[in-house]
Amino acid sequence: GAGVSQSPSNKVTEKGKDVELRCDPISGHTALYWYRQSLGQGLEFLIYFQGNSAPDKSGLPSDRFSAERTGGSVSTLTIQRTQQEDSAVYLCASSSGYQTTDTQYFGPGTRLTVL
Amino acid sequence: LAKTTQPISMDSYEGQEVNITCSHNNIATNDYITWYQQFPSQGPRFIIQGYKTKVTNEVASLFIPADRKSSTLSLPRVSLSDTAVYYCLVAPMDSSYKLIFGSGTRLLVRP
Repeated sequence: GAGVSQSPSNKVTEKGKDVELRCDPISGHTALYWYRQSLGQGLEFLIYFQGNSAPDKSGLPSDRFSAERTGGSVSTLTIQRTQQEDSAVYLCASSSGYQTTDTQYFGPGTRLTVL
Repeated sequence: LAKTTQPISMDSYEGQEVNITCSHNNIATNDYITWYQQFPSQGPRFIIQGYKTKVTNEVASLFIPADRKSSTLSLPRVSLSDTAVYYCLVAPMDSSYKLIFGSGTRLLVRP
């Protein structure tokens, strides 16, 4: 595709429910990143993938958060038993290389609202 | 990881040149400096990257003094569409490090 796509664009859920957020990176991009951005704040790193493996999961806020990437392409971020503090925009980015100086291309984000 | 400090907000007018300075006093020898731009309701977008001296592309210029303890993003003749948040990042060319986005500088361009 032309760019990184994310779905859904908006998600409203009730506290305690599970949600899945999807990211389709740019075709051929090997590195994939998930970030979280609360209203008016900077981006908070969550996790990144090299291919299908996740060498750095240190940013995941709790064990309710998990992510996987299959086939070196699509990634899913799952939040179990959502809490109101999980409300934020979740951004996905991909890059063609593994170095942090490689340009990251961001998707439009998924706005998650937990009621 | 080098910590960065940049102004919270800046105001400008259309047609003016805008310079946003980022401080990174503990930058390491192998660190690069990268700037991203974020419009409302969009993900950040890469603007420019440099290691030392001056880098220029079709969007902006990046000035880095010899000691590399700061850098300045220069936007020539801004327009209303340049209203955005600008992030300064410092990171080594090392796949074991993650990018750290601070709060950025919120630039407002007025007519």
